[in-house]
Amino acid sequence: SQQGEEDPQALSIQEGENATMNCSYKTSINNLQWYRQNSGRGLVHLILIRSNEREKHSGRLRVTLDTSKKSSSLLITASRAADTASYFCATDTNAGKSTFGDGTTLTVKP
Amino acid sequence: ETGVTQTPRHLVMGMTNKKSLKCEQHLGHNAMYWYKQSAKKPLELMFVYNFKEQTENNSVPSRFSPECPNSSHLFLHLHTLQPEDSALYLCASSQVSGGQNIQYFGAGTRLSVL
Repeated sequence: SQQGEEDPQALSIQEGENATMNCSYKTSINNLQWYRQNSGRGLVHLILIRSNEREKHSGRLRVTLDTSKKSSSLLITASRAADTASYFCATDTNAGKSTFGDGTTLTVKP
Repeated sequence: ETGVTQTPRHLVMGMTNKKSLKCEQHLGHNAMYWYKQSAKKPLELMFVYNFKEQTENNSVPSRFSPECPNSSHLFLHLHTLQPEDSALYLCASSQVSGGQNIQYFGAGTRLSVL
C-alpha cells in the first residue's frame, strides 16, 4: 500500500477561504515533502519538512509534521482560483527514493 | 520551466508499435526517475537511475525498457504495449544529498495505446 495517504481525496472551497489537506504515513521518515500538480502537467515541489521539524512556512503555505502520529498537514491560506490543482505528499525514507501519496484534488471557486 | 524536458508531449501508438520517450535534465542532477500516472491511481514509480546505474525496477513489465546513456538523458523504450498502459508518463530528476530528495518533474508524455 502507499506510504502516504492524503485526506480528503477532494476539496472544494471558495476563493479567500483556507484549505487544509492531511497526509498520513506508515514508516519512519527522513523528510516529508508536498508537491502540486496542475491538470495533465508534472509535479512541482512546494515545501520540504525534516523529521526533526514540527512546522514550516512558505508564503501562504504552512506545513506541520507530527512524527508521533505519522501525519502531516498542508494549509493554504487565503486561497485563490490559481491554487486549483492536485496536492501530493511524498515521504523520503532512503536517499534517492520518495513515495508519493494518492493526492488531494483542490478546487477553488472564484 | 523546471529544467526537465520531456518529448514528445503526446503520443498515440498501436499495440504493435515501437516508440521511445525521451527525458533530458539541465540541472546537473545525479538521479533520474520514470513514473506512471494513470487516471484515479497513485503515482507509480517505475525506474530509478543513480549516476546512470539502475537502482530500482518496480516490477515493471519488460515491454517497458529504460535506458540512461548519461546522467542528463533518460529514455523509456516502448514495445507491444497494452491499452492499460495508456497514462501520463512523468520523468523527474534530483540531486540526492543529505537525505533530501527534491524532485523536479517534466511536463510528461500523455500516451494513448490503441
